[in-house]
Amino acid sequence: GAGVSQTPSNKVTEKGKYVELRCDPISGHTALYWYRQSLGQGPEFLIYFQGTGAADDSGLPNDRFFAVRPEGSVSTLKIQRTERGDSAVYLCASSLTGGAGFDTQYFGPGTRLTVL
Amino acid sequence: KQEVTQIPAALSVPEGENLVLNCSFTDSAIYNLQWFRQDPGKGLTSLLLIQSSQREQTSGRLNASLDKSSGRSTLYIAASQPGDSATYLCAVIGRGSARQLTFGSGTQLTVLP
Repeated sequence: GAGVSQTPSNKVTEKGKYVELRCDPISGHTALYWYRQSLGQGPEFLIYFQGTGAADDSGLPNDRFFAVRPEGSVSTLKIQRTERGDSAVYLCASSLTGGAGFDTQYFGPGTRLTVL
Repeated sequence: KQEVTQIPAALSVPEGENLVLNCSFTDSAIYNLQWFRQDPGKGLTSLLLIQSSQREQTSGRLNASLDKSSGRSTLYIAASQPGDSATYLCAVIGRGSARQLTFGSGTQLTVLP
């Protein structure tokens, strides 16, 4: 695939349930990012992976949120005991090297999560 | 903590007008600033990236400027078209923030035919 893909595109769940959101980055990109975007706001950073390791998880709001990237490619964002306030669009991005000065982040279409 | 502000929040112009979108940031210690476009229900598309040592970047009808010392950037769109209608977001990578982008809330642009 040419771009970043995310599945599912939409997810509706009930409060208290567990959800997994998947991101498939551009092939060869070593850096992967998760952001969350609420209605009318810009995206907010959640976590950044360099290869298989989480280089910066300072944006995760609490311990209900967890993300993995076991083979350095596909990543899964996991949310436990979902709350209505978790409803948002979850965006994934990847970049070639993670070099801050020049490395463009390419975004996927997002997963719209709705918690009822 | 870095904060990014975009003014105006929404803008409506007739086709053919030149327009300017504004972005300001509180901490001038940045690696770069990017302008993105977001269409409804879709992800973000990078339009222009300005490194901290640069003053401007141009791509087609778009020109972005950066004044790091004053914490300001502008996106200039020439000869606007209805297809330019979208939300425009600016974002910075701060020197103290690893690789995360800090975004403004965006300007929703409508170009009327």
